[in-house]
Parts: sequence; structure tokens; C-alpha cells
Amino acid sequence: DVKVTQSSRYLVKRTGEKVFLECVQDMDHENMFWYRQDPGLGLRLIYFSYDVKMKEKGDIPEGYSVSREKKERFSLILESASTNQTSMYLCASSRDRSYTFGSGTRLTVV
Amino acid sequence: GENVEQHPSTLSVQEGDSAVIKCTYSDSASNYFPWYKQELGKRPQLIIDIRSNVGEKKDQRIAVTLNKTAKHFSLHITETQPEDSAVYFCAASMVQAGTALIFGKGTTLSVSS
Repeated sequence: DVKVTQSSRYLVKRTGEKVFLECVQDMDHENMFWYRQDPGLGLRLIYFSYDVKMKEKGDIPEGYSVSREKKERFSLILESASTNQTSMYLCASSRDRSYTFGSGTRLTVV
Repeated sequence: GENVEQHPSTLSVQEGDSAVIKCTYSDSASNYFPWYKQELGKRPQLIIDIRSNVGEKKDQRIAVTLNKTAKHFSLHITETQPEDSAVYFCAASMVQAGTALIFGKGTTLSVSS
């Protein structure tokens, strides 16, 4: 089975901090994605990448950046965390159209 | 860009009844439509998908139908069981490099015994 591993299950950060969320997949997938999940809003696409060093903005990229220096790792960066970025963050990877999701990181910004 | 609307937001049924969840999409270029199930505290998992060259697809108690002209697709669950209780998400995208799934807001299905 493909494994998508997110480094932290729970994180608490202070407003203004720079936050790194890490995602690693072990099946050599080209495509990786970051979504945030909020009650009543579903899964909203933040950024995705279809190759090393390539990135594309999703629907809600403001306040976020990403890094993909190696094929297996896709990092989401909150440049200056704010309370409205408190959310569940889900990473996913795919080769074709079938996504495999990580377990998620629940981030609380205080 | 693509926009996916999903209805209803909540759905309660009795065990053994059927459940139907409907989605509409905006981008006529989309040609791939998956459905994901997310149980409480777990990650979303793909349960069924359909491509635009097919009008209907079945897998045991679940089926998906697609109407490309109207730009809507639906998930049908028959003979519902308590373990079907979960949040269901529809999604749409093009099948090509450099695209990503856009998800609906989800439907919380509750099956009571």
C-alpha cells in the first residue's frame, strides 16, 4: 500500500510563527497536493505539484507557500501563521487520478 | 476554474433504505469524477469513480451516474448499513498532468438501525 506520512498529527503554534508541515510518500508518485479541511467547507486545494521543483496554486494559496525539492517530499509553509489558518491539513499523492491521503495535521494557531 | 456543488449537506436514512447524493460541476472540460468516503477521524478514501465516456458504474451496493450534458453526477448507495455512516465527498477534474481534484463540501450520511 502507498503510504503518505504527515510528520505531525497535532500542532499548536503562535500567531506570527513560521510553520512547516511535512508530507512524505513512498511510492514514487509524481503528483502531490495540500488541502485544508474545515467543517462545512469540504476540502479546499491550497497548492499542488506535478514534478520536483514544480508548483501550482490552488483555490486558496494566500498565506501559504510550498517546497518540493525531492520527489517524495512536499512541504507546506505558513509564512506567518494567523488564527484563521487553524484547520486540518491533508496531504495527498497520486500517479494517475486516484489520490492517497495522509492522516492529516490538525494545526491550531493561538 | 472548476467549482463543485454538492447536496444535501446532511442525509439521514434508516438501515436498508437507499441514499442519493448529488453533485454539479462547472467546467465542461472536466472528465473524471471520483467519490471519497471519510469515516470519523480517518483519512478520505476513494470508493468509486467514473470517467466521462461512461454514463454509469456499479460496485456492489454503490453506483455512480453521470450526465455530462447537465454537468451533474450522483452517488447511489442501496441497502444502507450503519457502517455506511460517514462524510462523502464528490470531486471533479480533468485527466491530464498539471490538474488537481476540486472537491464538493461534503455530505454527512447517518444510517440508523
